Amino acid sequence: DQQVKQNSPSLSVQEGRISILNCDYTNSMFDYFLWYKKYPAEGPTFLISISSIKDKNEDGRFTVFLNKSAKHLSLHIVPSQPGDSAVYFCAASDPTTDSWGKFQFGAGTQVVVTP
Amino acid sequence: GAVVSQHPSWVICKSGTSVKIECRSLDFQATTMFWYRQFPKQSLMLMATSNEGSKATYEQGVEKDKFLINHASLTLSTLTVTSAHPEDSSFYICSAQRQGGSPLHFGNGTRLTVT
Repeated sequence: DQQVKQNSPSLSVQEGRISILNCDYTNSMFDYFLWYKKYPAEGPTFLISISSIKDKNEDGRFTVFLNKSAKHLSLHIVPSQPGDSAVYFCAASDPTTDSWGKFQFGAGTQVVVTP
Repeated sequence: GAVVSQHPSWVICKSGTSVKIECRSLDFQATTMFWYRQFPKQSLMLMATSNEGSKATYEQGVEKDKFLINHASLTLSTLTVTSAHPEDSSFYICSAQRQGGSPLHFGNGTRLTVT
């Protein structure tokens, strides 16, 4: 049962424009969310996080928005750069469980930034 | 900071042999390490959670006798694929965590090919 869903397997965006990646989840107990970026044949790299006490967190070109009532989060990258071309995973954690360090991952969205 | 080294980055072995993969946190102590498997175009699949000095906790469907995990210190965890078969060919990734709920830091993965 996939509790974290990224329904768009791919996204193409022009350099300089905004990339918006979406992530939906089903477990209402998820309280802490992460976004990771992954290049081929490499491990994921942590990008940005957000906890439920916030609805927005910003770090440079990356902003994550959280809508708990809709069980939805999104990652905005602006402006998009060619180096942003990668697979992006969202991940969620339920802090009420004993193993709250474990994260559930979405299937990823492949972002391609074109010149 | 927060560098995780995974070794080897790729390995080819014959069916029936065993392969050991190492995961080291280089500049921090990891209370927990996680092992994942990734199939093409799919999400990271958590295989097991490893805490230093205790037995690993395996996810449902993962054979603990086949995928041996040892977490001997706060900076090293190993995954041994025993009696490997071609269906074990995959991309294996580890992650390390300073404490429960903190972001995961990933190794670069190991591409295992069993011939």
